[in-house]
Amino acid sequence: DSGVTQTPKHLITATGQRVTLRCSPRSGDLSVYWYQQSLDQGLQFLIQYYNGEERAKGNILERFSAQQFPDLHSELNLSSLELGDSALYFCASSAGLAGDNEQYFGPGTRLTVT
Amino acid sequence: AQKITQTQPGMFVQEKEAVTLDCTYDTSDQSYGLFWYKQPSSGEMIFLIYQGSYDEQNATEGRYSLNFQKARKSANLVISASQLGDSAMYFCAMRDSGNAGNMLTFGGGTRLMVKP
Repeated sequence: DSGVTQTPKHLITATGQRVTLRCSPRSGDLSVYWYQQSLDQGLQFLIQYYNGEERAKGNILERFSAQQFPDLHSELNLSSLELGDSALYFCASSAGLAGDNEQYFGPGTRLTVT
Repeated sequence: AQKITQTQPGMFVQEKEAVTLDCTYDTSDQSYGLFWYKQPSSGEMIFLIYQGSYDEQNATEGRYSLNFQKARKSANLVISASQLGDSAMYFCAMRDSGNAGNMLTFGGGTRLMVKP
């Protein structure tokens, strides 16, 4: 158990819908990351938050947004869903902003768009 | 742009033998970090081992060791005494440097299958 929790574990929804994925980092970790794992794109970094502020952005679509709340949990919002958004979405956390030698992943949320 | 290459899509190893999973990387940064993760069929990503670019010693964690050859830009994972439970996907990843954040760039992965 990495100490990072994600809910829900599975999500099935229709095209055009909007969903919210939730993540709680390990105790004491200030950085939260979101990654997407799909068959065609592999594992891709989406976005990093550190202590409530967005700090780095990767290949995140404009239809996707995220935030980190004062209690450090984070949410990833996916809207206008398309079939290609079906993937495993991971949240990860680490202690600091940069230079960390550990980054622990949650169990993931498997999103299926039908 | 950073790039991680894992050239072995799949590998077999006999139980109790050692196996090396290859990883090469490309970066112009002087400061970077290299990670290995294991992803079993259940889907979770399990952190295995870390090597910093300035670390002079190769990292080791139990049966896992990282064969770090900086000049060749390679960071191969060595698993000693393979067990059936080692069957999984293995991903090599590199961390961006400095204040740019901790985001990881992943390779395509290697599927390891341990034969009894």
